[in-house]
Amino acid sequence: NAGVTQTPKFRILKIGQSMTLQCTQDMNHNYMYWYRQDPGMGLKLIYYSVGAGITDKGEVPNGYNVSRSTTEDFPLRLELAAPSQTSVYFCASKGTDTQYFGPGTRLTVL
Amino acid sequence: QKEVEQNSGPLSVPEGAIASLNCTYSDRGSQSFFWYRQYSGKSPELIMFIYSNGDKEDGRFTAQLNKASQYVSLLIRDSQPSDSATYLCAVYAGNNRKLIWGLGTSLAVNP
Repeated sequence: NAGVTQTPKFRILKIGQSMTLQCTQDMNHNYMYWYRQDPGMGLKLIYYSVGAGITDKGEVPNGYNVSRSTTEDFPLRLELAAPSQTSVYFCASKGTDTQYFGPGTRLTVL
Repeated sequence: QKEVEQNSGPLSVPEGAIASLNCTYSDRGSQSFFWYRQYSGKSPELIMFIYSNGDKEDGRFTAQLNKASQYVSLLIRDSQPSDSATYLCAVYAGNNRKLIWGLGTSLAVNP
């Protein structure tokens, strides 16, 4: 079991560019989450999904979009990158109660 | 607004001592409580979860829950330098869909 995998590990974007952060889990979990974590700060929920085809906003959804077409995949889309989106992005999936995290994507927007 | 509060630290303890990390939460309806450890530059990893009032022990770690006082703590016995990390407390909101996260307590264990 690979658990939760994320790609890419690092990315530098220019302002206005777009990109998709990939997240895949092989644990057959229904719930999946996207968080961002700024330096020295806590985890902030961007979007989450309770199953294929169902997504909902978290605390900080502006500037992001998600889709969930399969149980395994939960990509996060940034349409018009802004410097305020410089952060570390974590994807997680939930089993019975416990959330399991991927290794993260470190994104810099210049 | 539902909140989870932790002392940001840093908490500094000598090697071999007991480290005590504390967390309070605002939602009286919360039923599930989690402690995660996060090393610098890494993702959070689960240490323990607790659902019932009282103590739960796992190796050198003990989680303590007091729902009446809305308080959950983590004790680390025989602290090691490898325990130096940020410890995140998290509590499910009432519907168990979203975790409410504390900002974390930074722990430094000095050799």
